[in-house]
Amino acid sequence: GQQLNQSPQSMFIQEGEDVSMNCTSSSIFNTWLWYKQEPGEGPVLLIALYKAGELTSNGRLTAQFGITRKDSFLNISASIPSDVGIYFCAAQNSNSGYALNFGKGTSLLVTP
Amino acid sequence: EADIYQTPRYLVIGTGKKITLECSQTMGHDKMYWYQQDPGMELHLIHYSYGVNSTEKGDLSSESTVSRIRTEHFPLTLESARPSHTSQYLCASSGAGLETQYFGPGTRLLVL
Repeated sequence: GQQLNQSPQSMFIQEGEDVSMNCTSSSIFNTWLWYKQEPGEGPVLLIALYKAGELTSNGRLTAQFGITRKDSFLNISASIPSDVGIYFCAAQNSNSGYALNFGKGTSLLVTP
Repeated sequence: EADIYQTPRYLVIGTGKKITLECSQTMGHDKMYWYQQDPGMELHLIHYSYGVNSTEKGDLSSESTVSRIRTEHFPLTLESARPSHTSQYLCASSGAGLETQYFGPGTRLLVL
């Protein structure tokens, strides 16, 4: 697979703070996806991005597909305790067929 | 919400046993995937299928095998389980066109 560099690896924040995480790669991708995974569960899709430069929101979440097609970021505004989990970026291009490449995840802890 | 199911959710077995992890989806998706994930780590693709009677190995070498006899069903089998197979196994599916993958809740396997 093609490597996605996701950062930060972990974040420990207070309720109400904004959060930002990103993924970068040396490869160009056609699709960027952001997932959230809670303990003992499968990843749940948060936002899907299909066009370079696209900025998409889902409630308090906002994600962007980088213009260079090599990166993406996810922002969470006004975090709440239920935002706790591991957030994964994933990306796909024609070199990988239909398979997704995954980042290593950002572990988010939110204290009340 | 994605309709993709995995059973069992948890499995504890002894070394040498044969096991089959079940995955079913009711979305009519042609593409299905199996990932292996150790706790807090990234997802590794171990098998995928682009349709009935189509199966391929993923990036991570695995001693498991899969079959795709029906569109909705993609079981994974370990002929002789070993402690090194202890992990979480996640099934996913995606439809035609856009490559968004939807995940099941996962099976947590512990081999003693």
